[in-house]
Amino acid sequence: ETGVTQTPRHLVMGMTNKKSLKCEQHLGHNAMYWYKQSAKKPLELMFVYNFKEQTENNSVPSRFSPECPNSSHLFLHLHTLQPEDSALYLCASSQDQREGYEQYFGPGTRLTVT
Amino acid sequence: AQSVAQPEDQVNVAEGNPLTVKCTYSVSGNPYLFWYVQYPNRGLQFLLKYITGDNLVKGSYGFEAEFNKSQTSFHLKKPSALVSDSALYFCAVSGSQTGANNLFFGTGTRLTVIP
Repeated sequence: ETGVTQTPRHLVMGMTNKKSLKCEQHLGHNAMYWYKQSAKKPLELMFVYNFKEQTENNSVPSRFSPECPNSSHLFLHLHTLQPEDSALYLCASSQDQREGYEQYFGPGTRLTVT
Repeated sequence: AQSVAQPEDQVNVAEGNPLTVKCTYSVSGNPYLFWYVQYPNRGLQFLLKYITGDNLVKGSYGFEAEFNKSQTSFHLKKPSALVSDSALYFCAVSGSQTGANNLFFGTGTRLTVIP
C-alpha cells in the first residue's frame, strides 16, 4: 500500500466502550498528526508526533490517548467518549515537523458515539 | 496567531469557465500557505503550497494560486473548470510559536462545477 492508511474506516461505539484507531504511513515520513473534522468547523489539530515523540497536545481531553510506537504507526485510543466526539478523525504525516512541509492525509475514520 | 478565512461557503461555476476560491490569512511571521481538496468520504489531498519565491504557484490537476502579500490573500484558481473538480477545498497556513508544522485550516469552500 502507498500513502497513509487508516483503519477502521467506520466505527460506532457506545460511551462506555474502549476502541482504537490505527494509522500507518508508507512514505518514510518522520512526523505524524491526528486531526478532528466536524461539520461546519475547521479541522482541529489534536496531537503531533515527531520521531515517535509527542510534540503537541492541543488541549485534547484525556479520553483521547495517542500512541506512536514508531515513525510509521500512530494510534488513537478512545474510552468513555461523548456524543459530541462523533466526527471524522484524520491522520496525516509529513517529511518533517518544521514549517512548510506539506502533510499527507489518510482517508479518515468516521466515528459515531451513541 | 495564525488564522485563515475562506469567505465563501459555496462557489458554483459552469464547466469550462475559470474558477476562483478565495482565501485570506493572518500570520505573525512568514506565511507558509497550502491548498487541499477533499472528495466525499476521502481524506484531504495536497494541491499546492507557497513557501517563498514566485507569487504564482502551480500545483496538481491544473490548479494554481496567487500569493498577494499586500492583500494577505492566497486565492486558488483554475483557467477551465471540470465537473470532476467539484469538491470541498481548504486553505491552510502553517506555523506556531515554536515554528512547528501545525496547520490552521479554514472552514472550507464547496465548489460545484455545473455541466
